[in-house]
Amino acid sequence: KQEVTQIPAALSVPEGENLVLNCSFTDSAIYNLQWFRQDPGKGLTSLLLIQSSQREQTSGRLNASLDKSSGRSTLYIAASQPGDSATYLCAVSDSWGKLQFGAGTQVVVTP
Amino acid sequence: GAGVSQTPSNKVTEKGKYVELRCDPISGHTALYWYRQSLGQGPEFLIYFQGTGAADDSGLPNDRFFAVRPEGSVSTLKIQRTERGDSAVYLCASSLSQGSDTQYFGPGTRLTVL
Repeated sequence: KQEVTQIPAALSVPEGENLVLNCSFTDSAIYNLQWFRQDPGKGLTSLLLIQSSQREQTSGRLNASLDKSSGRSTLYIAASQPGDSATYLCAVSDSWGKLQFGAGTQVVVTP
Repeated sequence: GAGVSQTPSNKVTEKGKYVELRCDPISGHTALYWYRQSLGQGPEFLIYFQGTGAADDSGLPNDRFFAVRPEGSVSTLKIQRTERGDSAVYLCASSLSQGSDTQYFGPGTRLTVL
């Protein structure tokens, strides 16, 4: 059974520092991996999607890497801003698109 | 264009009552997913539709939960004889097709069972 774990559960950094969020999964037979952002009381916003054949994806200040064989993904956010404060969730997908999520990392960026 | 919408945004009901939660996916998206999120947890998969048919309902917790998508667009999640443990945020997502496409999530319906 697939299990997705995110470490740390919470993270607080001063503005300008880089953020590193970790995600691990137990079954490497994934179709893709997605990183989402969730603001309090809101739905999820997709940040990056990495296909199982890819090693990384980049969008602006965000970069996500995927090492399928070791069951790990890392999300890097460069030069953090207070607006980056949110909960970040990773999820792995099967071929049907069914997502299995980690519990998330709650990020606070202090001015 | 319009994103995924869900109604109502909040629903408070009493134990034992019946509720319906609605999801309007992005126009043209054939795949539709329902998830449930409890406080402090990531969303958990409930059911997946490809077109009108439920391709995978393995996440529905028991037979009190049922979902339909009769015309391949709007979907309704139905919960009978609600229990306090059903309280959660119910999220709907849609994607252009199954598998490799990005899923776009609605804002969710917060269900509270008293």
